[in-house]
Amino acid sequence: KTQVEQSPQSLVVRQGENCVLQCNYSVTPDNHLRWFKQDTGKGLVSLTVLVHENDKTSNGRYSATLDKDAKHSTLHITATLLDDTATYICVVGDRGSALGRLHFGAGTQLIVIP
Amino acid sequence: AQTIHQWPVAEIKAVGSPLSLGCTIKGKSSPNLYWYWQATGGTLQQLFYSITVGQVESVVQLNLSASRPKDDQFILSTEKLLLSHSGFYLCAWGAGPLYFGAGTRLSVL
Repeated sequence: KTQVEQSPQSLVVRQGENCVLQCNYSVTPDNHLRWFKQDTGKGLVSLTVLVHENDKTSNGRYSATLDKDAKHSTLHITATLLDDTATYICVVGDRGSALGRLHFGAGTQLIVIP
Repeated sequence: AQTIHQWPVAEIKAVGSPLSLGCTIKGKSSPNLYWYWQATGGTLQQLFYSITVGQVESVVQLNLSASRPKDDQFILSTEKLLLSHSGFYLCAWGAGPLYFGAGTRLSVL
Protein backbone atom coordinates (compact mmCIF):
# COMPACT_ATOMS: atom_id res chain seq x y z
CA LYS A 1 0.00 0.00 0.00
CA THR A 2 1.36 3.43 -0.96
CA GLN A 3 2.16 5.34 2.20
CA VAL A 4 3.12 8.63 0.58
CA GLU A 5 0.72 10.19 -1.93
CA GLN A 6 1.65 13.26 -3.93
CA SER A 7 -0.60 15.52 -5.93
CA PRO A 8 -0.94 16.63 -8.57
CA GLN A 9 0.83 13.96 -10.61
CA SER A 10 1.91 16.63 -13.07
CA LEU A 11 1.62 20.35 -13.32
CA VAL A 12 2.33 22.91 -16.04
CA VAL A 13 2.84 26.54 -15.11
CA ARG A 14 4.10 29.62 -16.90
CA GLN A 15 7.41 31.09 -15.91
CA GLY A 16 6.91 33.56 -13.09
CA GLU A 17 3.80 31.91 -11.70
CA ASN A 18 3.61 30.33 -8.26
CA CYS A 19 2.67 26.72 -7.63
CA VAL A 20 1.84 24.42 -4.73
CA LEU A 21 2.63 20.74 -4.46
CA GLN A 22 0.90 18.47 -1.98
CA CYS A 23 2.03 15.46 -0.01
CA ASN A 24 -0.22 13.25 2.12
CA TYR A 25 1.16 10.29 3.99
CA SER A 26 0.22 7.51 6.37
CA VAL A 27 3.73 6.62 7.57
CA THR A 28 3.90 6.00 11.31
CA PRO A 29 5.91 7.14 13.09
CA ASP A 30 6.64 10.22 11.01
CA ASN A 31 9.96 11.48 12.30
CA HIS A 32 10.67 13.92 9.46
CA LEU A 33 9.64 14.86 5.95
CA ARG A 34 11.88 16.02 3.11
CA TRP A 35 11.25 17.52 -0.29
CA PHE A 36 13.67 16.66 -3.07
CA LYS A 37 14.10 17.95 -6.59
CA GLN A 38 14.99 15.36 -9.21
CA ASP A 39 15.98 16.46 -12.68
CA THR A 40 15.29 13.83 -15.31
CA GLY A 41 17.69 10.93 -14.87
CA LYS A 42 19.72 12.75 -12.25
CA GLY A 43 20.21 12.42 -8.57
CA LEU A 44 18.13 14.04 -5.89
CA VAL A 45 18.76 17.45 -4.42
CA SER A 46 17.35 18.15 -1.00
CA LEU A 47 15.23 21.30 -0.88
CA THR A 48 14.11 21.29 2.71
CA VAL A 49 13.48 19.10 5.74
CA LEU A 50 10.58 19.42 8.18
CA VAL A 51 10.73 17.81 11.59
CA HIS A 52 8.30 19.29 14.08
CA GLU A 53 4.55 19.63 14.19
CA ASN A 54 3.50 22.69 12.19
CA ASP A 55 7.04 23.24 10.92
CA LYS A 56 7.53 25.87 8.23
CA THR A 57 10.73 26.22 6.26
CA SER A 58 12.00 28.56 3.61
CA ASN A 59 14.85 28.07 1.14
CA GLY A 60 14.95 30.86 -1.41
CA ARG A 61 11.91 30.51 -3.66
CA TYR A 62 10.96 27.22 -1.99
CA SER A 63 8.90 27.14 1.16
CA ALA A 64 7.26 24.20 2.86
CA THR A 65 4.84 23.40 5.64
CA LEU A 66 4.16 20.30 7.66
CA ASP A 67 1.02 19.37 9.58
CA LYS A 68 1.77 16.19 11.49
CA ASP A 69 -1.77 15.92 12.83
CA ALA A 70 -3.12 15.81 9.30
CA LYS A 71 -0.02 14.01 7.97
CA HIS A 72 0.18 16.57 5.22
CA SER A 73 2.88 18.75 3.71
CA THR A 74 2.93 21.41 1.03
CA LEU A 75 5.79 22.73 -1.08
CA HIS A 76 5.37 26.23 -2.47
CA ILE A 77 7.50 27.46 -5.35
CA THR A 78 7.26 31.16 -6.02
CA ALA A 79 8.13 32.99 -9.23
CA THR A 80 8.92 29.78 -11.09
CA LEU A 81 11.85 29.61 -13.47
CA LEU A 82 12.37 27.35 -16.49
CA ASP A 83 15.04 25.53 -14.46
CA ASP A 84 12.39 24.53 -11.93
CA THR A 85 11.19 21.95 -14.46
CA ALA A 86 11.78 18.67 -12.64
CA THR A 87 10.13 16.01 -10.51
CA TYR A 88 9.57 16.95 -6.89
CA ILE A 89 9.58 14.06 -4.47
CA CYS A 90 8.19 13.95 -0.95
CA VAL A 91 9.97 11.59 1.42
CA VAL A 92 8.88 10.62 4.93
CA GLY A 93 11.36 9.12 7.37
CA ASP A 94 10.11 6.97 10.23
CA ARG A 95 13.23 7.56 12.34
CA GLY A 96 15.93 10.14 12.68
CA SER A 97 18.76 7.65 12.32
CA ALA A 98 20.11 5.40 9.61
CA LEU A 99 18.14 2.55 11.14
CA GLY A 100 14.99 4.22 9.95
CA ARG A 101 13.26 3.72 6.65
CA LEU A 102 12.52 6.35 4.06
CA HIS A 103 9.17 6.23 2.28
CA PHE A 104 9.13 7.92 -1.10
CA GLY A 105 6.23 9.46 -2.94
CA ALA A 106 5.93 8.95 -6.68
CA GLY A 107 6.64 12.62 -7.27
CA THR A 108 4.98 15.57 -8.95
CA GLN A 109 6.28 16.39 -12.39
CA LEU A 110 6.48 20.16 -12.75
CA ILE A 111 6.89 21.69 -16.19
CA VAL A 112 7.57 25.40 -16.43
CA ILE A 113 6.90 26.94 -19.82
CA PRO A 114 7.92 30.37 -21.12
CA ALA B 1 33.71 19.72 0.94
CA GLN B 2 32.18 16.28 0.66
CA THR B 3 31.69 14.71 -2.74
CA ILE B 4 29.81 11.60 -3.81
CA HIS B 5 30.66 9.80 -7.00
CA GLN B 6 28.78 6.94 -8.62
CA TRP B 7 29.95 4.72 -11.43
CA PRO B 8 29.19 3.86 -14.11
CA VAL B 9 26.85 6.60 -15.27
CA ALA B 10 24.93 4.12 -17.40
CA GLU B 11 25.09 0.42 -18.14
CA ILE B 12 23.46 -1.90 -20.63
CA LYS B 13 23.67 -5.54 -19.60
CA ALA B 14 22.29 -8.89 -20.66
CA VAL B 15 19.94 -10.95 -18.51
CA GLY B 16 21.96 -13.39 -16.45
CA SER B 17 25.15 -11.34 -16.54
CA PRO B 18 26.84 -10.02 -13.37
CA LEU B 19 26.63 -6.43 -12.20
CA SER B 20 28.70 -4.19 -10.00
CA LEU B 21 27.81 -0.56 -9.24
CA GLY B 22 30.05 1.62 -7.16
CA CYS B 23 29.76 4.64 -4.94
CA THR B 24 32.55 6.63 -3.28
CA ILE B 25 32.25 9.41 -0.74
CA LYS B 26 35.15 11.77 -0.19
CA GLY B 27 35.61 14.29 2.57
CA LYS B 28 33.49 12.55 5.18
CA SER B 29 34.64 9.88 7.60
CA SER B 30 32.34 7.02 8.63
CA PRO B 31 29.33 8.23 6.64
CA ASN B 32 26.00 6.42 6.72
CA LEU B 33 25.57 5.07 3.21
CA TYR B 34 22.45 4.05 1.32
CA TRP B 35 21.45 2.44 -1.98
CA TYR B 36 18.13 3.34 -3.61
CA TRP B 37 16.46 2.01 -6.75
CA GLN B 38 13.80 3.46 -8.98
CA ALA B 39 12.14 1.33 -11.64
CA THR B 40 11.24 3.27 -14.77
CA GLY B 41 8.12 5.24 -13.92
CA GLY B 42 8.20 3.90 -10.38
CA THR B 43 8.90 5.16 -6.89
CA LEU B 44 12.29 5.22 -5.24
CA GLN B 45 12.89 2.32 -2.88
CA GLN B 46 15.57 2.01 -0.26
CA LEU B 47 17.60 -1.16 -0.87
CA PHE B 48 20.46 -1.17 1.63
CA TYR B 49 22.09 0.95 4.25
CA SER B 50 25.42 0.78 6.03
CA ILE B 51 26.54 2.50 9.19
CA THR B 52 30.08 1.19 9.24
CA VAL B 53 32.66 -0.73 7.23
CA GLY B 54 31.78 -4.36 6.73
CA GLN B 55 28.18 -3.97 7.92
CA VAL B 56 25.28 -3.75 5.50
CA GLU B 57 21.58 -4.02 6.27
CA SER B 58 19.07 -5.05 3.65
CA VAL B 59 15.76 -3.19 3.43
CA VAL B 60 14.23 -4.67 0.28
CA GLN B 61 15.16 -7.99 -1.28
CA LEU B 62 15.64 -7.71 -5.03
CA ASN B 63 18.20 -10.48 -5.58
CA LEU B 64 20.91 -7.88 -5.10
CA SER B 65 23.65 -7.62 -2.55
CA ALA B 66 25.69 -4.76 -1.19
CA SER B 67 29.05 -4.51 0.48
CA ARG B 68 31.12 -1.84 2.17
CA PRO B 69 34.75 -2.87 1.72
CA LYS B 70 36.12 0.52 2.76
CA ASP B 71 34.85 3.38 4.87
CA ASP B 72 34.25 5.51 1.80
CA GLN B 73 33.03 2.86 -0.63
CA PHE B 74 29.66 1.17 -1.15
CA ILE B 75 29.17 -1.52 -3.80
CA LEU B 76 25.92 -2.91 -5.19
CA SER B 77 26.14 -6.18 -7.06
CA THR B 78 24.53 -9.33 -8.31
CA GLU B 79 25.82 -12.41 -10.07
CA LYS B 80 22.77 -12.76 -12.30
CA LEU B 81 20.80 -9.83 -13.58
CA LEU B 82 17.07 -10.02 -14.11
CA LEU B 83 14.98 -7.90 -16.46
CA SER B 84 13.32 -6.43 -13.36
CA HIS B 85 16.64 -4.96 -12.24
CA SER B 86 16.40 -2.27 -14.89
CA GLY B 87 16.05 1.21 -13.54
CA PHE B 88 17.89 4.01 -11.85
CA TYR B 89 20.20 3.37 -8.92
CA LEU B 90 21.10 6.09 -6.48
CA CYS B 91 23.71 6.11 -3.77
CA ALA B 92 23.39 8.52 -0.86
CA TRP B 93 25.15 9.46 2.33
CA GLY B 94 24.10 11.32 5.43
CA ALA B 95 22.56 10.99 8.86
CA GLY B 96 20.51 14.14 8.98
CA PRO B 97 20.50 15.77 5.55
CA LEU B 98 20.80 13.25 2.74
CA TYR B 99 23.12 13.82 -0.20
CA PHE B 100 22.63 11.82 -3.37
CA GLY B 101 24.95 10.86 -6.17
CA ALA B 102 24.06 11.47 -9.80
CA GLY B 103 22.89 7.89 -10.20
CA THR B 104 23.45 4.98 -12.55
CA ARG B 105 20.91 4.12 -15.23
CA LEU B 106 20.79 0.36 -15.79
CA SER B 107 19.10 -1.29 -18.74
CA VAL B 108 18.85 -5.07 -18.67
CA LEU B 109 18.06 -6.65 -22.04
